[in-house]
Amino acid sequence: GAGVSQSPRYKVAKRGQDVALRCDPISGHVSLFWYQQALGQGPEFLTYFQNEAQLDKSGLPSDRFFAERPEGSVSTLKIQRTQQEDSAVYLCASSLGTSGNTIYFGEGSWLTVV
Amino acid sequence: GDSVTQMEGPVTLSEEAFLTINCTYTATGYPSLFWYVQYPGEGLQLLLKATKADDKGSNKGFEATYRKETTSFHLEKGSVQVSDSAVYFCALKQPNFGNEKLTFGTGTRLTIIP
Repeated sequence: GAGVSQSPRYKVAKRGQDVALRCDPISGHVSLFWYQQALGQGPEFLTYFQNEAQLDKSGLPSDRFFAERPEGSVSTLKIQRTQQEDSAVYLCASSLGTSGNTIYFGEGSWLTVV
Repeated sequence: GDSVTQMEGPVTLSEEAFLTINCTYTATGYPSLFWYVQYPGEGLQLLLKATKADDKGSNKGFEATYRKETTSFHLEKGSVQVSDSAVYFCALKQPNFGNEKLTFGTGTRLTIIP
């Protein structure tokens, strides 16, 4: 597609539910990132993939957060047993190469945990 | 760890006014510096960047100069337009190969009134 596509755009989950957020990066992009943006804050890094390899997951806030990119294209961010503090916009981004290339962001998935 | 501090918003200016949004950073070594912009209803977009001291990034009439001595990367525009209304994020990235993580500031909301 023309840009980074994320789905769902909006998700309301009850506390304790599991959620899965999908990211379709720009075709051919090697690098893929997930960020979390709380209301009124800047994006905070969660994890980074190079093709199917998860090279950095230092930003995942707890073991309830899990990300995968099994075939090196589409990625899924899964949050288990959601809690209210998980409410945020989850941003996916991709870039063509592995270093120095422009990073393109999707519009985000807005998660509200009630 | 690395951090970015931006001037607090919101900022409201009249059309054709001069704009400055301050950004300072704390980081080891020589990071690359970025300004991203988020227009209403859209994803984050790269506005400009600078990769070494004294470099000036520019785009769409916006400019920012990488000042190593003051650890700053202030965003400026000589004459703003209503269409510049958006949220602006300052960010940095370390140049280490494989470390593609962006560290963002909290963002500055800019509103331009006709």
